[in-house]
Amino acid sequence: AQKITQTQPGMFVQEKEAVTLDCTYDTSDQSYGLFWYKQPSSGEMIFLIYQGSYDEQNATEGRYSLNFQKARKSANLVISASQLGDSAMYFCAMREENTNAGKSTFGDGTTLTVKP
Amino acid sequence: NAGVMQNPRHLVRRRGQEARLRCSPMKGHSHVYWYRQLPEEGLKFMVYLQKENIIDESGMPKERFSAEFPKEGPSILRIQQVVRGDSAAYFCASSPPGQGWANEQFFGPGTRLTVL
Repeated sequence: AQKITQTQPGMFVQEKEAVTLDCTYDTSDQSYGLFWYKQPSSGEMIFLIYQGSYDEQNATEGRYSLNFQKARKSANLVISASQLGDSAMYFCAMREENTNAGKSTFGDGTTLTVKP
Repeated sequence: NAGVMQNPRHLVRRRGQEARLRCSPMKGHSHVYWYRQLPEEGLKFMVYLQKENIIDESGMPKERFSAEFPKEGPSILRIQQVVRGDSAAYFCASSPPGQGWANEQFFGPGTRLTVL
C-alpha cells in the first residue's frame, strides 16, 4: 500500500485565493512526522511545514497551514492568499519513528499553477 | 552555517561510464540520506548512512550502485556503468545526530545526472 498518497496530480488556483493540497498517509507507528516541501522549476527542495503526530495544534508557517486530521490520516496543506511564485510542485512526506529508520517517504506530488 | 552541498550540480555521462556524486552535510550533521527523483515523480529513498556505516540500503539497486560516508570528507554515491535509466535528479539530505524522525531533513540542491 502507498504510504503517502497525493491524489491531485495538478491544481489551479486564482492569485490571492486559498488552495488546499491533499495528502493521506498510512502508518502503524504511533510517532511520526509529516512534512511538506515545495519544488520550484529550479529543482531544489524547499521545506515548508512540519506536523508531529502528537501535536494537538495544526502547524502554521506564514501563509502555510497544515490541516491535520489524525483519525482520517490526512495532512492537507493549505496555502492562503496564493501568489504567482507559489507555482511549483508540492510534496508531502512522512518520517516514522520505528519502521523506516528515519528516512522520508514521499508522495508523487501535486503541481500547483497560480493564475493571474 | 552552510547548507547541504552537492556537487556537481549537473553531470553528463555516456552509457558505460561511472558517475560519482558528492554530498557534504551541514556542519554537525552525521546522518546522510540519498534520494532519487525520476522525471515527473516524487523522491524515492535509496540509502541512509552515518559516518563509516551504512544503516539502511533497502532502496539501492542491487547492482552498479554503492554509497559511502567516510570518517573524513563528503558522502559519495557511485554509479558504475551508467545506463539511460539512471538519468534522474539525486538529492542528498542530512540531519543531526540523535534527532530521529521528528526533525527536518535538510536537502541539498541535487545533482542532475544525464546519461547519453
